[in-house]
Amino acid sequence: GAGVSQSPRYKVTKRGQDVALRCDPISGHVSLYWYRQALGQGPEFLTYFNYEAQQDKSGLPNDRFSAERPEGSISTLTIQRTEQRDSAMYRCASSTPRGSGNTIYFGEGSWLTVV
Amino acid sequence: AQSVTQLDSHVSVSEGTPVLLRCNYSSSYSPSLFWYVQHPNKGLQLLLKYTSAATLVKGINGFEAEFKKSETSFHLTKPSAHMSDAAEYFCVVSPGHSGNTPLVFGKGTRLSVIA
Repeated sequence: GAGVSQSPRYKVTKRGQDVALRCDPISGHVSLYWYRQALGQGPEFLTYFNYEAQQDKSGLPNDRFSAERPEGSISTLTIQRTEQRDSAMYRCASSTPRGSGNTIYFGEGSWLTVV
Repeated sequence: AQSVTQLDSHVSVSEGTPVLLRCNYSSSYSPSLFWYVQHPNKGLQLLLKYTSAATLVKGINGFEAEFKKSETSFHLTKPSAHMSDAAEYFCVVSPGHSGNTPLVFGKGTRLSVIA
C-alpha cells in the first residue's frame, strides 16, 4: 500500500479481554516494528521483524504481549488479558534494509483504551 | 546503550521568530539521528535525518539540524516559526552498527507558536 496501515484506529476493551492490533506495512518493506506510546511520552520500542523472523522482542513488557508476522507482510500484535496500564497508542512502522539510517515510516497508530 | 535527551519538554515561540529544539544523544557507535514531528491525531512524520554525511542536515518545512559530535548534540532549528509548526517533536537515535536496529526516541518537545 501507499503507507503503513493500522487497524483498528481506536479500540476500547474491557479489562481482561484479549486484543489484536493489525499492521499492514508498505509493500516490499522487509522490516516491521512495533512501538508503544503513552500520553506525554515518546514511542517505546516493543519488537521488530525482518521478513517473518522476529529479530528482537526485548521491549515487550511481559508475556501477555506477543507479535507475529507469519508471511513476512502483515503483522499482528496481541495483548492477552488486558489491563488498564496497557492503554496507549500502539504504533507500527516499516522500512527497507539499507543499512544504518534507513528511513522508517510510521502508521497513524492504534489507540487502545482498557476500561 | 543508546539514549536521547530532549532538554525541553515544552518550547513556546512567537510566530516569525527562530525555533530551537535541543537534543543530546548517547551512543556507543556512530549513530544515525533523526527528528520526527507528530501533529495532533496524525502519524509520525520524518523531518530530517543524519547518517554520517554532511553534519548540517536540511529537512522539510524549513527545518535543519546540525550534528556536533564533540557536544553529542543534534539540535533542531528553524529561522522563522509558522503557526503550522505547532506540534510534538521527537529526537531519535539509531545505533548505526547494523541495519534495521530499532530507533530510540526522546520524550518529545511540544512546540507552541503564538500569533
